[in-house]
Amino acid sequence: EDQVTQSPEALRLQEGESSSLNCSYTVSGLRGLFWYRQDPGKGPEFLFTLYSAGEEKEKERLKATLTKKESFLHITAPKPEDSATYLCAVHRSGSARQLTFGSGTQLTVLP
Amino acid sequence: GAVVSQHPSRVICKSGTSVKIECRSLDFQATTMFWYRQFPKQSLMLMATSNEGSKATYEQGVEKDKFLINHASLTLSTLTVTSAHPEDSSFYICSATGLAGGVSTDTQYFGPGTRLTVL
Repeated sequence: EDQVTQSPEALRLQEGESSSLNCSYTVSGLRGLFWYRQDPGKGPEFLFTLYSAGEEKEKERLKATLTKKESFLHITAPKPEDSATYLCAVHRSGSARQLTFGSGTQLTVLP
Repeated sequence: GAVVSQHPSRVICKSGTSVKIECRSLDFQATTMFWYRQFPKQSLMLMATSNEGSKATYEQGVEKDKFLINHASLTLSTLTVTSAHPEDSSFYICSATGLAGGVSTDTQYFGPGTRLTVL
């Protein structure tokens, strides 16, 4: 059974204080690992897809990396508008595009 | 990026009534659509997967007679909650994958969600 564990559950940062969110996964045959951002009362917003160990992707203050067992979402010099819940999900080969989600990390960036 | 819309954004209904939620892909062909529900402070729970023109595949524990899913076209899927009860109150979110610019994509693009409250 696929498992995705995100840590920490919640993270409070001061504006400008860089940090990383962790996503550990167990899946037989990773087809892709996805990062989403979800604001309260809204649907998840797509951020990144990573396909193979060693891959990195960046978007503004966010950088996602992937190893064979985990992924990190690095946030550099965060701003209050980066406050949201960040979700990690894995897509297993042969699973008809279904995703298994982690429980998310709720990030709060204080001004 | 690919855009998915949902309608309505929120609905309040009386117990025993049926509610239909629409999910549309606005700028790509959604060959596969997914329906999730999300409880407060929890992650997304997959309810069903539907492919255009086929019957939906429901996850274990999801009542197919209660949650009717129709995916009649490449841009529209509907979820009907039949004889809704207070325990069906939740945040329902759809997502879609398919062909964007002629290229198949595994990325799921999510709608904004529908808040259902059953009194």
